[in-house]
Amino acid sequence: DTGVSQDPRHKITKRGQNVTFRCDPISEHNRLYWYRQTLGQGPEFLTYFQNEAQLEKSRLLSDRFSAERPKGSFSTLEIQRTEQGDSAMYLCASSFSLDSSYNEQFFGPGTRLTVL
Amino acid sequence: KNQVEQSPQSLIILEGKNCTLQCNYTVSPFSNLRWYKQDTGRGPVSLTIMTFSENTKSNGRYTATLDADTKQSSLHITASQLSDSASYICVVRAGGYNKLIFGAGTRLAVHP
Repeated sequence: DTGVSQDPRHKITKRGQNVTFRCDPISEHNRLYWYRQTLGQGPEFLTYFQNEAQLEKSRLLSDRFSAERPKGSFSTLEIQRTEQGDSAMYLCASSFSLDSSYNEQFFGPGTRLTVL
Repeated sequence: KNQVEQSPQSLIILEGKNCTLQCNYTVSPFSNLRWYKQDTGRGPVSLTIMTFSENTKSNGRYTATLDADTKQSSLHITASQLSDSASYICVVRAGGYNKLIFGAGTRLAVHP
């Protein structure tokens, strides 16, 4: 399977715990995006990387959230001291920056986080 | 403010029938518009992408239209199948930006 993969697919945690999600983009894609999606809503942008550089962060990305892409390949999203409001689907997408004006993003299956 | 609004919020149709989903956007400058299909618990999958110069684009039983003057798009589904049951999300990319602006989606249920 050469698509975007995410791990784990589901995570249940207690409030106050830290969680970390991983995203493996399509291998030749240099851009990687993180989104959060709550029930009945479209995805909301969190942050994106071009290679290993984090170029933009949304104001939704509070101090408890941190994302890394150390070698320009896979990325991790960590949430510290989780709160019940963090419960959502976390989606990762990747794209190739030289893909004309389309810059199509391919999404992974998501990680569903439930904070009890 | 850049926004994408979709209607209806939800829709139920019988298998074999056609339907049309609507998308209005206030995004400037406009780069392109996409329709995604999202099955429950899965990531979105692209159906069509259109730039301002493209008025219509088809992908099998899915046909998207774009009117850049009125800033409206529609997604027409022909001869619906049970597997079409999903959320359909309209997404607009603003020129010069790498982030996409998502609508809330239309939840379609196709019943036998």
